[in-house]
Amino acid sequence: DAGITQSPRYKITETGRQVTLMCHQTWSHSYMFWYRQDLGHGLRLIYYSAAADITDKGEVPDGYVVSRSKTENFPLTLESATRSQTSVYFCASTYSSYNSPLHFGNGTRLTVT
Amino acid sequence: GENVEQHPSTLSVQEGDSAVIKCTYSDSASNYFPWYKQELGKRPQLIIDIRSNVGEKKDQRIAVTLNKTAKHFSLHITETQPEDSAVYFCAARSDKLVFGAGTILRVKS
Repeated sequence: DAGITQSPRYKITETGRQVTLMCHQTWSHSYMFWYRQDLGHGLRLIYYSAAADITDKGEVPDGYVVSRSKTENFPLTLESATRSQTSVYFCASTYSSYNSPLHFGNGTRLTVT
Repeated sequence: GENVEQHPSTLSVQEGDSAVIKCTYSDSASNYFPWYKQELGKRPQLIIDIRSNVGEKKDQRIAVTLNKTAKHFSLHITETQPEDSAVYFCAARSDKLVFGAGTILRVKS
């Protein structure tokens, strides 16, 4: 769905660097999520947000920081990247509640060297 | 918290055959069970979902069944086609949506 976009699509960074992954949606969805996808683990929730200025931890939040100053944006920051954070990161959004379908972005493939 | 187990991890079927993927969940309070399909290099996309007040739902060649007592739900794909080849994820929601580890489905023509 073109309504949710992630950038960059690919990123290579070094251990210890700070990196920010961007997510932007044009639907005015209230709920936004960050997942990481690793082989054998499926999609694991990092952080989510129910509205602007409201964020909460998911299953694997350690090493990540999020903010949601505007409804349409939900950036994910790795404050000091580690090799274990090499993964594909998906942003997702939904309009009303957690029972409504998630719409995923195209993903960001992050490699930490 | 919720835990979702998905089986099998890989599944190979002949074109035209049926495919079944099974998931179990741990939290009896879970009330929403979506299935996502992810083609290679693409984003996951919802293919069907079911809520806890429904036992079965169909959409053309795809069906999902839910057994709340046993806490398991299944995806059924009939008359499989090569374009059905993908990774399929089940998920269950109590307070958060939790995904299974995924099933790689290969449809051989």
